[in-house]
Amino acid sequence: QVQLVESGGGVVQPGRSLRLSCAASGFSFSSYGMHWVRQVPGKGLEWVALTWYDGSNEYYADSVKGRFTISRDNSKNTLYLQMKSLRAEDTAVYYCARPWGYDYADYWAFDIWGQGTMVTVSS
Amino acid sequence: QSALTQPASVSGSPGQSITISCTGTSSDVGGYNYVSWYQHHPGKAPKLMIYEVSNRPSGVSDRFSGSKSGNAASLTISGLQAEDEADYYCTSYRSDGTLRVLFGGGTKLTVL
Repeated sequence: QVQLVESGGGVVQPGRSLRLSCAASGFSFSSYGMHWVRQVPGKGLEWVALTWYDGSNEYYADSVKGRFTISRDNSKNTLYLQMKSLRAEDTAVYYCARPWGYDYADYWAFDIWGQGTMVTVSS
Repeated sequence: QSALTQPASVSGSPGQSITISCTGTSSDVGGYNYVSWYQHHPGKAPKLMIYEVSNRPSGVSDRFSGSKSGNAASLTISGLQAEDEADYYCTSYRSDGTLRVLFGGGTKLTVL
């Protein structure tokens, strides 16, 4: 069964750090690029970051660039999102998502999503 | 303000057809065939309905179809059913010195 399970969310004070994890199973994790997407409560979905299948390239939304780092450990089938200097506006449900295929053209549509982990930034 | 523009809401009766628009620019929607559509029921994971403008993943009903003209893409749902009531989001690839994915603001579909 193809599955993504996020963890690591919680309540954190502004300016602090948090690391999210996404455990993958049921597919060849090391063959796929991976994304993080978030949804602020009551608002729409927002793309956050992308890493290549081998971690050789990373791309970020302007809203998180310089504060968030996406990474992966293919030996553990796990994707990470290190979040620093957190702000109230980073409060959201964070999803990891898998592209529907291996190739570059396939990277831009996400066919497998986790259930999400909630991050609340509040003092 | 979202990068891609969608109507905030649309509605239709069971059996009818509706279309949701998604407007971008020549640097995203109009420049590439990497437009996708997602169905999102609150509290659940989003579901991919259309990829690369008009392709349906296996298992998605053929009542869902996608198209594009210029800088605007569209999702059409025919034969509306109660379970289609959800939020729908479009996305597009954008490359302008860096790569990213743009989401639309989302459209709430109400089945009357």
